[in-house]
Amino acid sequence: EVQLVESGGGLVQPGGSLRLSCAASGFTFSNYDMHWVRQVTGKGLEWVSAIGTAGDTYYSDSVKGRFTISRENVKNSLYLQMNNLRAGDTAVYYCVRGVAGCDYWGQGTLVTVSS
Amino acid sequence: DIVMTQTPLSSPVSLGQPASISCRSSQSLVHSDGNIYLSWLQQRPGQPPRLLIYKISNRFSGVPDRFSGSGAGTDFTLKISRVQADDVGVYYCMQGTQLPWTFGQGTKVEIK
Repeated sequence: EVQLVESGGGLVQPGGSLRLSCAASGFTFSNYDMHWVRQVTGKGLEWVSAIGTAGDTYYSDSVKGRFTISRENVKNSLYLQMNNLRAGDTAVYYCVRGVAGCDYWGQGTLVTVSS
Repeated sequence: DIVMTQTPLSSPVSLGQPASISCRSSQSLVHSDGNIYLSWLQQRPGQPPRLLIYKISNRFSGVPDRFSGSGAGTDFTLKISRVQADDVGVYYCMQGTQLPWTFGQGTKVEIK
């Protein structure tokens, strides 16, 4: 059974940093592109970042230069380092498996940026 | 970026009746590999999104056959043949053909 479990969310002040993690199981992690998608409470879905199987990385314009996506295949883990956080980054962050489209989503982890 | 536009944004439906949601993309979703990566997601209240349909019309594992997807070009449709109480939630179309992935605004399906 495919499982994606996010962790690392919490309350952080504007300008602060957080590192999200996603633990994957039930599939060969190294064979799949992985993504982060976020959702402001009560609002729609926004793609944030992706990392390919070769380690190539992609970012939305809204987070480029502030967020860094990475993966550690030996640990079946995906990460999102978020720096210089803003109030507008407040959202639930989902870890998503996908190749040209999503299939499995994690339960999400809430990031709140507030003073 | 490709813009995905859904209609309607709200769909009150009686139990056992059909529901239909439309999605239009601002440009072609044909990938360089020839596939069209148009998906439909369901988000029940308090839950993460869940994949229902991929590549326009393919039901994902475990999805009931009352859900069906169709479409071509830039116009796509999700149909629920007979709405059940379990189907209440928000439905999103999503394109995975090109980064950034983009999503429709969401259509709220509720029981009338």
